Amino acid sequence: KNQVEQSPQSLIILEGKNCTLQCNYTVSPFSNLRWYKQDTGRGPVSLTIMTFSENTKSNGRYTATLDADTKQSSLHITASQLSDSASYICVVADRGSTLGRLYFGRGTQLTVWP
Amino acid sequence: EADIYQTPRYLVIGTGKKITLECSQTMGHDKMYWYQQDPGMELHLIHYSYGVNSTEKGDLSSESTVSRIRTEHFPLTLESARPSHTSQYLCASSGQAQTYEQYFGPGTRLTVT
Repeated sequence: KNQVEQSPQSLIILEGKNCTLQCNYTVSPFSNLRWYKQDTGRGPVSLTIMTFSENTKSNGRYTATLDADTKQSSLHITASQLSDSASYICVVADRGSTLGRLYFGRGTQLTVWP
Repeated sequence: EADIYQTPRYLVIGTGKKITLECSQTMGHDKMYWYQQDPGMELHLIHYSYGVNSTEKGDLSSESTVSRIRTEHFPLTLESARPSHTSQYLCASSGQAQTYEQYFGPGTRLTVT
């Protein structure tokens, strides 16, 4: 069964600190992995997309890593800001269908305190 | 900023009413999607479309229906709303590339009383 598991479920950090969010997946055949940021009451916004051959991808203070062998990914946030408070969702796409089906994790709810 | 729009943003309606959630995109994308999301839970695909006159059901069974008469427009309709339909509905669109980006609308928060 294709699944995407994220940890921790929720996380509270102080402004300026770093944090790392984890994602494990069993989706096969693998096409790509994305990290999305979803603010409360809004639609998800893409942060990074990584294919099988990519190990690391950065977008400003966000750095995602991918280990396709162990089927793990992480999202590292550097020097957190209050605006980073959101749900971070790991999404894995398969290449076994024309649609390129996406499998969503439940997200990590990050709260940044001043 | 993605050019995909949803209306209304919030809707509170009584049981038995017919409702239509609107979704439009100006990016010329062929593929469009409807997802349902409950608080703290993952997004579930309920409908998708490859293009005009193409509609398919997603992974999660839904009593809603969709239509795709124009490329830019992908409305979702509930003929008779029930409290179990209370949820957040997200529309998305994407291009054709393998690493296609899915752009999401802001969502419609539906509450059926």
